Amino acid sequence: DAGVTQSPTHLIKTRGQQVTLRCSPKSGHDTVSWYQQALGQGPQFIFQYYEEEERQRGNFPDRFSGHQFPNYSSELNVNALLLGDSALYLCASRTGLAGAYDTQYFGPGTRLTVL
Amino acid sequence: AQSVTQLGSHVSVSEGALVLLRCNYSSSVPPYLFWYVQYPNQGLQLLLKYTSAATLVKGINGFEAEFKKSETSFHLTKPSAHMSDAAEYFCAVSDPAGANSKLTFGKGITLSVRP
Repeated sequence: DAGVTQSPTHLIKTRGQQVTLRCSPKSGHDTVSWYQQALGQGPQFIFQYYEEEERQRGNFPDRFSGHQFPNYSSELNVNALLLGDSALYLCASRTGLAGAYDTQYFGPGTRLTVL
Repeated sequence: AQSVTQLGSHVSVSEGALVLLRCNYSSSVPPYLFWYVQYPNQGLQLLLKYTSAATLVKGINGFEAEFKKSETSFHLTKPSAHMSDAAEYFCAVSDPAGANSKLTFGKGITLSVRP
């Protein structure tokens, strides 16, 4: 049973560029959340997708957008990259019908470096 | 708004010694609380969670945590540290009344284990 997978593992971009990160949830999960983890910090919630819709959003600008596909996989898009967007981006999945106590499973993350 | 505070960014213990990692939460309602561990270059793995059942929660790898409402704390302990416990540890909180499962993380504590 594959867990949460993310691609690519590492990515280097320059300021102003756009980037797309991908996530496949754990088998049987239909809800995907994205988190940004800056160096030396805890993860910060970006947004969550369920039934192909954004259900909740954290305090991130509109440059951050996402999408969920019918197979529950998800993409995170960041436009007009800034140096401060350099971070580890984590994807987490769970079952949508479960409550807030349900365990979220995290992927290994994508390390984005903006030069 | 909910939040967690993890005092100290780095804890160092000798192998075989007690591990104590502190976490205090702030929430207007009894929260759900989680401890996650992150090994180098990996995603987050759930150690244990409190979901309003027993106040003493046992997790994987010999870790446990006790929910103390009067102290608004959820400290993580392990009786005897092992070299393999060296990692980053994050405390997180979610709102049981929330419609979804957004996690709010602390800044994390780096645990070092000396031989």
